[in-house]
Amino acid sequence: EIVLTQSPDTLSLSPGERATLSCRASQSVSSGSLAWYQHKRGQAPRLLIYGASSRATGIPDRFSGSGSGTDFTLTISRLEPEDSAVYYCQQYDTSPQTFGQGTKVEIK
Amino acid sequence: QVQLVQSGAEVKKPGASVKVSCKTSGYTFTNYGVSWVRQAPGQGLEWMGWISGYNGDTNYAQKLQDRVTLTTDTSTSTAYMELRSLRSDDTAVYYCARDTMMDVWGKGTTVTVSS
Repeated sequence: EIVLTQSPDTLSLSPGERATLSCRASQSVSSGSLAWYQHKRGQAPRLLIYGASSRATGIPDRFSGSGSGTDFTLTISRLEPEDSAVYYCQQYDTSPQTFGQGTKVEIK
Repeated sequence: QVQLVQSGAEVKKPGASVKVSCKTSGYTFTNYGVSWVRQAPGQGLEWMGWISGYNGDTNYAQKLQDRVTLTTDTSTSTAYMELRSLRSDDTAVYYCARDTMMDVWGKGTTVTVSS
């Protein structure tokens, strides 16, 4: 199975700063079949990015995704207080689908 | 609008089974699959499996495939997840989500396994 490793584990930044989250795959994720989700405590996860770089419906343009092959990045250009959450990458190219372990974003 | 409405919380004893439902609306059920994901306390998201809304084809996570069964009822646009031989480490919030890309999620069903 494809193992996804996210870094860092925790990111602590101030409002207005830029957040860069990394997701590295143990083997190539073809067709860019990689998604990013935001998960807040007590809520269902929310799809942010699919196809490595396409924003899901209703997602603000401060969220962007990039990358291909084995290296992917989620960037939040200007952090807002409501962006405090755990962010997961997920590959849906190969069964079994797998998630990264998550990156916790804390807003100072 | 697209909605996935899950059944309510369950408390089960070790060794029992649980069946969680996920009633969908707002889209053509047979055009999409349904994924199931769980999150144990303090842990990350774990993919459990996927079922086609069109023909019932399934993919399961290897670690669960002996104990989990995914089914659908196309007449009611509902997906089901049954987990058998429950253990304490099956205590988790169980989510259904639309298809492999999981663009819409249910609110989750808490399953507690305790003697």
